[in-house]
Amino acid sequence: GDSVTQMEGPVTLSEEAFLTINCTYTATGYPSLFWYVQYPGEGLQLLLKATKADDKGSNKGFEATYRKETTSFHLEKGSVQVSDSAVYFCALRMDYGQNFVFGPGTRLSVLP
Amino acid sequence: NAGVMQNPRHLVRRRGQEARLRCSPMKGHSHVYWYRQLPEEGLKFMVYLQKENIIDESGMPKERFSAEFPKEGPSILRIQQVVRGDSAAYFCASSPPISGTEAFFGQGTRLTVV
Repeated sequence: GDSVTQMEGPVTLSEEAFLTINCTYTATGYPSLFWYVQYPGEGLQLLLKATKADDKGSNKGFEATYRKETTSFHLEKGSVQVSDSAVYFCALRMDYGQNFVFGPGTRLSVLP
Repeated sequence: NAGVMQNPRHLVRRRGQEARLRCSPMKGHSHVYWYRQLPEEGLKFMVYLQKENIIDESGMPKERFSAEFPKEGPSILRIQQVVRGDSAAYFCASSPPISGTEAFFGQGTRLTVV
């Protein structure tokens, strides 16, 4: 079945460091891809998304590019802040009427 | 347009009681998803519903758990005869009937079984 793999956490960075969180997927077709963020005690919020190959999603300084050839959707940010400390989830959805499939999440801690 | 509303936010039940969790999707959303999250862990899919239909319940335990999304009113996740292992955060999400759209999450219900 469809699945999402993320790099193991926790990831600990200093403020202003460069961030990469790897995400790869396995799917029978071409899914829509999503990154969600979860702050402590809260639900998941959509961070960005891409619906077709080579699309780049971006929001709040975060970016991810849909790479069909490597089945990847890696999350990047050029300069992280303490306020970016959260858990990040990569997800896919094949099509309308299909379920969302989430990765296990990657915890990010940014130190001042 | 209000977001996905879950209530209660916190629920305490004694072992053997029933827990009833409610989820009101965003306006215009006909798809609802329920997930469970244990502390420091990821999301575990439970069930996917459309109005009056269960689309995918592959993540639901066979015993004690049920879910519905009636034509009118919120979606309900029901846990009968709760046990300590049911203590978790339960999240509901909804999406519109359109391809390529994201799921919108509620704030969750934190169930504690004592």
